[in-house]
Amino acid sequence: DSGVTQTPKHLITATGQRVTLRCSPRSGDLSVYWYQQSLDQGLQFLIQYYNGEERAKGNILERFSAQQFPDLHSELNLSSLELGDSALYFCASSVDPGTGYGYTFGSGTRLTVV
Amino acid sequence: GNSVTQMEGPVTLSEEAFLTINCTYTATGYPSLFWYVQYPGEGLQLLLKATKADDKGSNKGFEATYRKETTSFHLEKGSVQVSDSAVYFCALRSAGFQKLVFGTGTRLLVSP
Repeated sequence: DSGVTQTPKHLITATGQRVTLRCSPRSGDLSVYWYQQSLDQGLQFLIQYYNGEERAKGNILERFSAQQFPDLHSELNLSSLELGDSALYFCASSVDPGTGYGYTFGSGTRLTVV
Repeated sequence: GNSVTQMEGPVTLSEEAFLTINCTYTATGYPSLFWYVQYPGEGLQLLLKATKADDKGSNKGFEATYRKETTSFHLEKGSVQVSDSAVYFCALRSAGFQKLVFGTGTRLLVSP
């Protein structure tokens, strides 16, 4: 157990629907990062939150949004889902700021859009 | 901007063979460097790291040395096992709140 908890582990939904992925960071970590991993595009950074504030944005679609709550858990909302959104979505947390700290990853949510 | 380049896979080896996975980076300043491993169906796990030039990170028989002069952080293992079959990601992180920048990953397949 890495200490980063992601739910649900698997999600199957239809095109056009909306889903919410949840992440609880490791105790003491203030930063949360979301990544999308698909077969054809590798590991893509989506967005980062630090202590409730958005810190950095990557290749996140406008149909996707995220937030970090006062208890530091984070949610990634995916709407108007398309077949191409099927992927593994990882959450990671980190001690910030600092260069010497890596991320601790959750085990991911596998999203299948049918 | 910061970037990481890894050798393309898959790398296919027999058990007990020597492993090298090349990683080079481009970054401003003095980044920290990391290797992550992803086993099938799992998330990424930190394998080792190095935070300054000439540091050697090591874990589970894997090693990598931070070479500033060649901007490299190659992963090595003297004798691989079937259980080492996984995808390996090289990554760097610069100062402050900078995110980790990952390479594209290298798949390692070890056969008995």
